[in-house]
Amino acid sequence: QAQLVQSGPEVKKPGASVKVSCKASGYTFTSYGINWVRQAPGRGLEWMGWISPYNGVTNYAQKLQGRITLTTDTATATAYMDLRSLRSDDTAIYYCARNLDGDPYGMDVWGQGTTVTVSS
Amino acid sequence: SYDLTQPPSVSVSPGQTARITCSGDALPKQYAYWYQQKPGQAPLLVVYKDVKRPSGIPARFSGSSSGTTVTLAISGVQAEDEADYYCQSADSSGTYRVFGGGTKVTVL
Repeated sequence: QAQLVQSGPEVKKPGASVKVSCKASGYTFTSYGINWVRQAPGRGLEWMGWISPYNGVTNYAQKLQGRITLTTDTATATAYMDLRSLRSDDTAIYYCARNLDGDPYGMDVWGQGTTVTVSS
Repeated sequence: SYDLTQPPSVSVSPGQTARITCSGDALPKQYAYWYQQKPGQAPLLVVYKDVKRPSGIPARFSGSSSGTTVTLAISGVQAEDEADYYCQSADSSGTYRVFGGGTKVTVL
């Protein structure tokens, strides 16, 4: 069955960068979009961006544009989220999530989440 | 930026029906999706494209749409349905996805 497995927890200092990976298995990686969603402690879900592994097209949330880059490696079926100039309010659990079949909006398979802590 | 509005909390007795609303100006044009999230877990898709239910989701979960409001109904609520529920959609251009603020469902 389809599965997304994310990299381990990260602790970063303010101003640093973090790169989180999301390895897909059990389906054709290039056939489904990948979203990145984060959740600050005690807060709701926040959509960060979307990438098509088929052609690399990306959409980013307006508040993160300039600090976020999404990429994929089709050879290893892995998606990456790179966030720069980290601030304390970037502390959150970061999820990757696969789109539904033929649907660029709904998300039916989620990674287990990666905790990113930004602290001096 | 585009917003989806949900009530912060809904309380319901076991066996009754919980209804969670989600309002947004682009909802007549864009589909809505609903996710259930329990503490310490990743979100789980329970309704997609306004009214469709993924395989494995109990039939007591249903979605509906009317104008700028979509609704998730949970009939015959069980203790295991206690969770946070999020609606999700897209802005009118279809470029930006957005989540509602979430609704905590408490089973009394």
